[in-house]
Amino acid sequence: EIVLTQSPGTLSLSPGERATLSCRASQSVSSSYLAWYQQKPGQAPRLLIYGASSRATGIPDRFSGSGSGTDFTLTISRLEPEDFAVYYCQQYGGSRYTFGQGTKLEIK
Amino acid sequence: QVQLVESGGGVVQPGRSLRISCAASGFTFRSYGMHWVRQAPGKGLEWVAVIWYDGSNKYYADSVKGRFTISRDNSKNTLYLQMNSLRAEDTAVFYCARDYCTNGVCYVNGMDVWGQGTTVTVSS
Repeated sequence: EIVLTQSPGTLSLSPGERATLSCRASQSVSSSYLAWYQQKPGQAPRLLIYGASSRATGIPDRFSGSGSGTDFTLTISRLEPEDFAVYYCQQYGGSRYTFGQGTKLEIK
Repeated sequence: QVQLVESGGGVVQPGRSLRISCAASGFTFRSYGMHWVRQAPGKGLEWVAVIWYDGSNKYYADSVKGRFTISRDNSKNTLYLQMNSLRAEDTAVFYCARDYCTNGVCYVNGMDVWGQGTTVTVSS
């Protein structure tokens, strides 16, 4: 089973700053099979990025994804107040899906 | 609008069974794969199971394989999760989610529509 490790566990930034979230896989992941989600307290997750770098429908262009192999990154170019939440990466492989443990993005 | 509504959660004793449901509306349910994802209190997301659009393939997380069964009734636009031999560590919010298909590619892009979740508590 592929294990996804996200870092940092918590990221403290101010609105307007740039956020860089990391997702590292225990073995190579096809770029096509890597997704990112945002989850706010009491809400279901929301798909942000699929295929490592493609934005899902309705996602603002301040969100971008990149990476390949075992290292993937979610970047939020200029943080808006509504962006403070928990972010998860997720991969598909061998008919299984796994999530990272999450990065909490909090207001500094 | 596109919507998923889970139901059937509750408090159940260890070792007992429970079936939860997910009613879909606003899209052609029979055309999409569907997932169950759970979240233990204060914890992260854990994928549980997926079922192909026509029910022909089903896959499970190792943690639930042999105890949980995913199924669907396309005539009723409803997804199910039958949970047997429940354990305390199965306590979680269970979400159903639609598999994201794009450009004819499915089952690899993630999950684009989620329900609000139903809470399952396993406790004596």
